[in-house]
Amino acid sequence: DVKVTQSSRYLVKRTGEKVFLECVQDMDHENMFWYRQDPGLGLRLIYFSYDVKMKEKGDIPEGYSVSREKKERFSLILESASTNQTSMYLCASSPPRGTGAYNEQFFGPGTRLTVL
Amino acid sequence: AQSVTQLGSHVSVSEGALVLLRCNYSSSVPPYLFWYVQYPNQGLQLLLKYTTGATLVKGINGFEAEFKKSETSFHLTKPSAHMSDAAEYFCAVTLPPGTYKYIFGTGTRLKVLA
Repeated sequence: DVKVTQSSRYLVKRTGEKVFLECVQDMDHENMFWYRQDPGLGLRLIYFSYDVKMKEKGDIPEGYSVSREKKERFSLILESASTNQTSMYLCASSPPRGTGAYNEQFFGPGTRLTVL
Repeated sequence: AQSVTQLGSHVSVSEGALVLLRCNYSSSVPPYLFWYVQYPNQGLQLLLKYTTGATLVKGINGFEAEFKKSETSFHLTKPSAHMSDAAEYFCAVTLPPGTYKYIFGTGTRLKVLA
């Protein structure tokens, strides 16, 4: 089974802090994603990566950056956390084209971030 | 612009009753369609998907969905609700078919009454 793990389930930070959210997948997936989930808004894509060191902006990239130095790890960075970034953050991965499940995404358990 | 609409942010059903969660999409081309479920304090898990072929798709835990192109719908059903079905359900599409980007609906929280 695919396993996607996230470094923390709950995180509390202060306004202005630099925040790192880590995601690791163990199935050699090419593609990795960061979403934020807010009530009534569903999931919104922040960034995704289709290969090591490759990234593409999603729908709401402002205030975030990402890093993918190794295939299995995708990090989300909040350069200067603000209260409006309080949210649930979900990481996901998907296998490459040519595999049966390439258009499926496998999700981690999420990190609930509170910025005070 | 492409979009996904889930009618009803909250749905309540009695245990043993039919579950019907609605999803409509707008797209210029037929999309790939997905239903995901999120149990409390967990990530999302794939229930079922439609890509091509048979329009009635069966998924895990007794759920199924039917792709109706003429109605641009992909409603999720289950004949008999169980208490363990209480969760939030998300409909999603990829546009055009086969890209990595999903568009998610806003979710429907299902409550099952004893």
